[in-house]
Amino acid sequence: QLQLQESGSGLVKPSQTLSLTCAVSGGSISSGGYSWSWIRQPPGKGLEWIGYIYDSGSTYYNPSLKSRVTISVDRSKNQFSLKLSSVTAADTAVYYCAKGFSSSVDAFDIWGQGTMVTVSS
Amino acid sequence: QSVLTQPPSASGTPGQRVTISCSGSSSNIGTNTVNWYQQLPGTAPKFLIYSNNQRPSGVPDRFSGSKSGTSGSLAISGLQSEDEADYYCAAWDDSLNGVVFGGGTKLTVL
Repeated sequence: QLQLQESGSGLVKPSQTLSLTCAVSGGSISSGGYSWSWIRQPPGKGLEWIGYIYDSGSTYYNPSLKSRVTISVDRSKNQFSLKLSSVTAADTAVYYCAKGFSSSVDAFDIWGQGTMVTVSS
Repeated sequence: QSVLTQPPSASGTPGQRVTISCSGSSSNIGTNTVNWYQQLPGTAPKFLIYSNNQRPSGVPDRFSGSKSGTSGSLAISGLQSEDEADYYCAAWDDSLNGVVFGGGTKLTVL
C-alpha cells in the first residue's frame, strides 16, 4: 500500500527558504501517471493547495505562490520536494504531500501525515 | 476568504441525516467536479467523495455527494459519533488555474 512521509526543517527564519521532502513507499513515483501535490494548512485554518508535479515532470503552481515555489522530483530516491522561498510568518502551517487520484490533478487520495513548519526568528 | 463557501459549522444527533453545502461559481464547480475530504482532529485529510458523487473504496455508503449548478453538497446519513470532524470541499478553478478549497465545515455530533 502506497504511503507518503514528509520530512524537513520544522523551523525556518523569515526571508529564508523552506525545504521539505515527501518520501514515497510501497510503490514507484514513476509508475501510474499520477500527480504529486503539496497542500498546507495554517494553524486553525483551512487547506491551501500549493502545487503539483506530474508524472511527466511538468509542474503547476498556485498563482498566489508561484513566484516563490519550486516542486521537483528525485526518481532515484522515489521522492518529491518542495521549496518555498522568502518565507514570512504567514507561511507557518502544517504541510502535507498528497498523491493525485487516478489521472486527476484536483483529487487527492493518499496523504502524508503532515509536518509542522514554523517561520520565526 | 475561501473561493468555495461552506457553512462554518453543522450539527446533528446520532442517526440523523445532515448535509453540508459548498457554493462556488461558473469557473470552478459550474464547470468542474467537486471532491470532498474528511479531517478528523489532529489527522491528515481523508479522501471522501470524488467526481461529485463517487465514493473511493472503503468509504461507507452513508456518505454521498451531489452537485447542482455551481454548488455541491455532502450528505451523511445515519450520523455516528465518529463522523465528528471537519469537512472540506474542493474543485479545480479555471480562472485561477488551480485547486481551490472551501473554508471547511466543523460537524458536531450532539
